[in-house]
Amino acid sequence: EVQLLESGGNLVQPGGSLRLSCAASGFIFNNFAMSWVRQVPGKGLEWVSGIGSFGGTTDYADSVKGRFAISRDDSKNILYLQMNSLRPEDTAVYYCARYPRRVPVAGSRLDYWGQGTLVTVSS
Amino acid sequence: QSVLTQPPSVSGAPGERVTLSCTGSSSNIGADYDVHWYQHLPGTAPRLLIYGYSHRPSGVPDRFSGSQSGTSASLAISGLQAEDEGDYYCQSYDSSLGNYVFGTGTKVTVL
Repeated sequence: EVQLLESGGNLVQPGGSLRLSCAASGFIFNNFAMSWVRQVPGKGLEWVSGIGSFGGTTDYADSVKGRFAISRDDSKNILYLQMNSLRPEDTAVYYCARYPRRVPVAGSRLDYWGQGTLVTVSS
Repeated sequence: QSVLTQPPSVSGAPGERVTLSCTGSSSNIGADYDVHWYQHLPGTAPRLLIYGYSHRPSGVPDRFSGSQSGTSASLAISGLQAEDEGDYYCQSYDSSLGNYVFGTGTKVTVL
């Protein structure tokens, strides 16, 4: 059974940093591209970032480009999201999700999701 | 703001059929990028419901069906059940933004 378990969410001050983790199990992690998607409380979903298998390609939403960095440790089956220069508008539940392929291409779906971890940016 | 527009809410009695719309433009749905639908029930992880407009992953009941026409897509839920209450999102890709995009979301209420 595919399982994705996010952790690392916390309360952080504006301008601060936080690293999210997503532990994957139930599938061959390095065969799949992965993604982060967030949901502001009471709002819709927003794609944040994606990474190809073996970390070959990375991509970011304009809203986080230059501040967030996605990475993966295939030896530990863990996906990361390093978030720097955090802003109040980054407050959201962050989900990790799997693409059903090695490289995220335009039009790709996300076939498995975790339950999310809450990041709150506030002073 | 999302480039895919969904009605904020849809409701129906148990057993009824409801249809959720997802309206895009020529740079996403109209550009032939696939549309996918997700179900997000309270307290659970989002779940892929329909992919590539009309395909169901294994385990998804055939009460759920998808279609597309022009710059819009639709999700139909037949035989509405209480367990279907939750939020539903469409998703595609937008060539102008160069990003994956989600719809604004529709809350389904079973009366």
